[in-house]
Amino acid sequence: SQTIHQWPATLVQPVGSPLSLECTVEGTSNPNLYWYRQAAGRGLQLLFYSVGIGQISSEVPQNLSASRPQDRQFILSSKKLLLSDSGFYLCAWSNGILAFFGQGTRLTVV
Amino acid sequence: GIQVEQSPPDLILQEGANSTLRCNFSDSVNNLQWFHQNPWGQLINLFYIPSGTKQNGRLSATTVATERYSLLYISSSQTTDSGVYFCAVELETSGSRLTFGEGTQLTVNP
Repeated sequence: SQTIHQWPATLVQPVGSPLSLECTVEGTSNPNLYWYRQAAGRGLQLLFYSVGIGQISSEVPQNLSASRPQDRQFILSSKKLLLSDSGFYLCAWSNGILAFFGQGTRLTVV
Repeated sequence: GIQVEQSPPDLILQEGANSTLRCNFSDSVNNLQWFHQNPWGQLINLFYIPSGTKQNGRLSATTVATERYSLLYISSSQTTDSGVYFCAVELETSGSRLTFGEGTQLTVNP
C-alpha cells in the first residue's frame, strides 16, 4: 500500500535561518506531488506542485523553493526564513484521482 | 484565477442533526474531492466526485458539474464529525493544480 512520510512534525527556527522539509512517498510511482501551507485559520494555500522529476510549478511568489530530486521525494526549502513563513506545511501525493496527505509540519519562525 | 467557495464558513450542530455543506467552483472540473481535517491536522479524503452522487455511511455527496457546485451531506451527526471540511478541485484548464476552498468548520456538540 502507499504511504507518505513527512518530517519533522514540529520545528522552531529563528528568522534568517535556512529550512528544509522533506516528503517521501512509498508504494507508487510517478505521483503528482504537492506542498501546501495552512496559516492560522483554515485555507490551504498551494505553494508548489510537481508532475515529474525536476518539474516544479510555483504558485505564489515567496521566500520558498521546492525540488524533486527523485520520483518519490519532494523537498521544500528556504535560504532565509521570515516570520511570515510560520504555518502548517502539508505534503500530498496524488494518482490523478485521490490525494493523500502527510501528517504535516508545524513551523514556527521566531 | 481558480475560485473555490465553500459555505457556510462555520456550522454548529447538536448531535443527531443533519447538515449540508456547499462548494461552488468557477469552471469545469476534472477532479473534485471532499476532505475532512481532524483536530490534529490530518486530512482524510472522503469522496472523489467530479460528477454524480456517492454515499458512504452517514455521508453522501453530490456534484452538479453543469451548475458548478457540489454538496456534502452529513446525517445523524456525531461529535467525531467535528473538524474542517474542505472541497478541492482540479479545473480542466489548470492541469494537476489541486486548489482548496477555505473550508467549513463543523462543531458537533453532545
